[in-house]
Amino acid sequence: AQKITQTQPGMFVQEKEAVTLDCTYDTSDPSYGLFWYKQPSSGEMIFLIYQGSYDQQNATEGRYSLNFQKARKSANLVISASQLGDSAMYFCAMDGDSSYKLIFGSGTRLLVRP
Amino acid sequence: EAGVAQSPRYKIIEKRQSVAFWCNPISGHATLYWYQQILGQGPKLLIQFQNNGVVDDSQLPKDRFSAERLKGVDSTLKIQPAKLEDSAVYLCASSSAPATGPDLGTQYFGPGTRLLVL
Repeated sequence: AQKITQTQPGMFVQEKEAVTLDCTYDTSDPSYGLFWYKQPSSGEMIFLIYQGSYDQQNATEGRYSLNFQKARKSANLVISASQLGDSAMYFCAMDGDSSYKLIFGSGTRLLVRP
Repeated sequence: EAGVAQSPRYKIIEKRQSVAFWCNPISGHATLYWYQQILGQGPKLLIQFQNNGVVDDSQLPKDRFSAERLKGVDSTLKIQPAKLEDSAVYLCASSSAPATGPDLGTQYFGPGTRLLVL
């Protein structure tokens, strides 16, 4: 069975600094995808970044990058130059079996301080 | 391009009543998902459709929950009768899976329906 673990219930970061949100996963599937979503207080889930298990390079999307360490089964999200609008819940998720369904972690609440 | 649409955004009902949620996916997306997100937790898949067929409903409480996607486009999720523990946000998502493409089957979510059962 697949599992996603996010061990940081809450994080603080100073505006303009970088922050790393941790995510570890467990799966027996050889092919899988790892996703990060942002959920503001309004409730919608906003897709941020994707990493495929066979991708050789770490994914990047603007200020977001994914630190993918396959041997350690970790997929940490790095947000550079934090902004006040980055304050939200962040969820790590994975797919992998043929149904494409996502398994989510419990989330990390990020608060950016001015 | 229009995103995933859901209605209503909020619903308050009493236990044992019935309720229905509607979702219209991104145009052209074959796969539609319904997730339940209880406060303080990550979303959990309830049911997945590919076109108008069910792919996975293993975590759908079938004694009270039902869902359909009759024409392979929009979908409804129904709860009858509702229980207190059904209070949650119900999220609909869609993706281009199983088709491959630049978005690699990424799921895009609607704004959700917040349900409160009293």
